[in-house]
Amino acid sequence: QSVLTQPPSLSGAPGQRVTIFCTGSSSNIGAGHDVHWFQQLPGAAPKLLINRYINRPSGVPDRFSGSKSGTSASLVITGLQAEDEAVYHCQSYDNRLSGVIFGGGTKLTVL
Amino acid sequence: QVQLVQSGSELKKPGASVKVSCKASGYRFTTYGINWVRQAPGQGLEWMGWINTNTGNPAYAQGFTGRFVFSLDTSVSTAFLQITSLKTEDTAVYYCAILHGTYNDYLGQGTLVTVSA
Repeated sequence: QSVLTQPPSLSGAPGQRVTIFCTGSSSNIGAGHDVHWFQQLPGAAPKLLINRYINRPSGVPDRFSGSKSGTSASLVITGLQAEDEAVYHCQSYDNRLSGVIFGGGTKLTVL
Repeated sequence: QVQLVQSGSELKKPGASVKVSCKASGYRFTTYGINWVRQAPGQGLEWMGWINTNTGNPAYAQGFTGRFVFSLDTSVSTAFLQITSLKTEDTAVYYCAILHGTYNDYLGQGTLVTVSA
């Protein structure tokens, strides 16, 4: 059971908008710790997609955006494309565990 | 740019040991700690702990004490993960990672460790 909760799977048609939520608690997101998002393409290592809730590293399309609300974070993908099919992981830090935490990952399928 | 290159896949028998290497390049090695992350087949990412590249002090997450050892060879900018008394449930991809909350956050390509009789 991951400390950060994500839906196991989501799907969307090309061109659609999808939102992936990452729900935490008062000991992690609610305590002010940043959330980062990683994209894991099939057969590859996870790669940084969004840094500190909203920041995109160079090369990440602006179709990807992030936000925070209370003890949750969200990743929004607009104009869904076939190459977005991947597993998306949120990551933060937890005061109670004194360490890095991940969500369980969300497998996004492009229909 | 930041790069972490890991050693190749390993096939081991239960009870054996394995040592995975992670060579850093593109930055000063002592700038970031090295984290270790496990991904069991079909599962999510699990943080195992990290090692301070300035002091060499390791910190292990719950569930990764005893059989797991993090170490460094700073002369060649390389971190190591050793797992002893391997069990079949240790079968997973192991990643070394920079998780510093910056744009340089990065995971190595992963090392598949398969434990099978």
